[in-house]
Amino acid sequence: DAKTTQPPSMDCAEGRAANLPCNHSTISGNEYVYWYRQIHSQGPQYIIHGLKNNETNEMASLIITEDRKSSTLILPHATLRDTAVYYCIHYNNNDMRFGAGTRLTVKP
Amino acid sequence: DTGVSQNPRHKITKRGQNVTFRCDPISEHNRLYWYRQTLGQGPEFLTYFQNEAQLEKSRLLSDRFSAERPKGSFSTLEIQRTEQGDSAMYLCASSLIGFEDTEAFFGQGTRLTVV
Repeated sequence: DAKTTQPPSMDCAEGRAANLPCNHSTISGNEYVYWYRQIHSQGPQYIIHGLKNNETNEMASLIITEDRKSSTLILPHATLRDTAVYYCIHYNNNDMRFGAGTRLTVKP
Repeated sequence: DTGVSQNPRHKITKRGQNVTFRCDPISEHNRLYWYRQTLGQGPEFLTYFQNEAQLEKSRLLSDRFSAERPKGSFSTLEIQRTEQGDSAMYLCASSLIGFEDTEAFFGQGTRLTVV
């Protein structure tokens, strides 16, 4: 069963930042936080991951709280193509279990 | 290597028939996962392999389901005596475990329709 909690849906205006929260209160010390997204009819796509420190790549930024019980994925300038379901999971060398994710809709 | 490959992409079968899906992971990846996804839901974990060893199976993997990864490369997922409730997208993912952090790469899935 999923070990994370995410809001079921969010909207964002095109060009604005999208901030997607995730609670992972059961995360253990050696587990990473991963974010994936799934565009309709495709397999999930990796976005970013982190352990303790905030991370940034060409797609997004990941902010992890100091207690590691929650994180926020930031898409700095959302485009219409970022409309997708976003999944937050945590694991390390074991199974990956997904929840229902957050359906992000970017509106013009 | 163009990523994780799943075949077939679509399968329509009659109830009661057996079906088999294949997953070819990225060549050096030692971890392979199978998931099932129904409309509006996230991927549901079925099982995963480390090389040829099947390390965990979900309770969703009933006795009609079996997965193999005989040589630690490609994997097959077989469903026997299919039921309409088996209609779903079946996803495969692979990753390289053994390094500190590594992401999983997913295939495009096999969509099964049981009629």
